[in-house]
Amino acid sequence: SQQGEEDPQALSIQEGENATMNCSYKTSINNLQWYRQNSGRGLVHLILIRSNEREKHSGRLRVTLDTSKKSSSLLITASRAADTASYFCATDLTGANNLFFGTGTRLTVIP
Amino acid sequence: DSGVTQTPKHLITATGQRVTLRCSPRSGDLSVYWYQQSLDQGLQFLIQYYNGEERAKGNILERFSAQQFPDLHSELNLSSLELGDSALYFCASSFAGTGQETQYFGPGTRLLVL
Repeated sequence: SQQGEEDPQALSIQEGENATMNCSYKTSINNLQWYRQNSGRGLVHLILIRSNEREKHSGRLRVTLDTSKKSSSLLITASRAADTASYFCATDLTGANNLFFGTGTRLTVIP
Repeated sequence: DSGVTQTPKHLITATGQRVTLRCSPRSGDLSVYWYQQSLDQGLQFLIQYYNGEERAKGNILERFSAQQFPDLHSELNLSSLELGDSALYFCASSFAGTGQETQYFGPGTRLLVL
């Protein structure tokens, strides 16, 4: 079963609005990563947040991590049509070498 | 461009056949991961290699096998193909092969089994 679950499954917003996606996971992690996938293409790494960090920024992206609730959120500010894509969270289980990907949030930004 | 290459981009074959997917990691990366992405199963981790040795195994079927060669490229072999094997197959690479690194994904191979 998936380690991570994103919420919502799909999100549609107007250009310029903010988009927030959430990820919940089940077990202890060392870090959590967010990836983006344009339709049918390879995933692209966006940001990594370590378990001892609570918030991280990268350009228009802001990621938070709450290890007590086993959840993370990705905020994209001032969205653009080019942000239309699927967004996945990925976690590494403590002691594991591979990543477990969530089910993804499909974001559509309407021009 | 991630630096990870995958061939072929598309593959159409029949049930019962065998195919080989090829991946070349980013220059300097020692670890290769294989993933399967289908509509109903999402992105599933199949197997990981590090410097030629298998390091982690996920939801890989017995009909599937993989290896990493001395030049670090990897091949994923899919045999006795079934309709349900139709999916996007991604290869990713990283330097040290730990879960604490960014993984760099290739463009994928789209497999269609008819």
